[in-house]
Amino acid sequence: DAGVIQSPRHEVTEMGQEVTLRCKPISGHNSLFWYRQTMMRGLELLIYFNNNVPIDDSGMPEDRFSAKMPNASFSTLKIQPSEPRDSAVYFCASSSRGGTGELFFGEGSRLTVL
Amino acid sequence: AQSVTQLGSHVSVSEGALVLLRCNYSSSVPPYLFWYVQYPNQGLQLLLKYTSAATLVKGINGFEAEFKKSETSFHLTKPSAHMSDAAEYFCAVRTNSGYSTLTFGKGTMLLVSP
Repeated sequence: DAGVIQSPRHEVTEMGQEVTLRCKPISGHNSLFWYRQTMMRGLELLIYFNNNVPIDDSGMPEDRFSAKMPNASFSTLKIQPSEPRDSAVYFCASSSRGGTGELFFGEGSRLTVL
Repeated sequence: AQSVTQLGSHVSVSEGALVLLRCNYSSSVPPYLFWYVQYPNQGLQLLLKYTSAATLVKGINGFEAEFKKSETSFHLTKPSAHMSDAAEYFCAVRTNSGYSTLTFGKGTMLLVSP
């Protein structure tokens, strides 16, 4: 079975550029989560969706960050404009309805903003 | 609010020695608890989970954890460490928000020496 698929795996960009990270959740999962991992802050929940609807985006650090889930099989996390402090690994995870809360993680997108 | 605390950002053991990684939780409701492992440049992988059934939970790769309500703990153990166990380990608690969000601890890096 295919797991959570994220792209790109690595992104290097310059400050001020727009960055788009992509995620395909596991088929049949109805919840999708975006996490950010840094050395200083650990794993932070940015936003999560249930049935394609954003439920809680209180973890999104600034208005420069936005996330969408146009359908059950695709989500994007966009940063515009990007800043060096956005450098981190961004993880997408999904889970199924009625489960025990187990999250299935993608391999992550490592973002470096110069 | 639910939270977890992992004691020790780094734990060093010799190959063949007992592994003990500590996790204490705070929860206003009976918790669902999880241990995840992260190998370098990879996503998080579920090791085991506690969902109010048996208090001693067995997971993959020979790991197990015991839920102790009186101590609010969910420590992860393995009788004999292998070099391949070197990774970062995260304890997490399900946030009882009606959706399957997880709050993660800061992580513990396990170092295994020959």
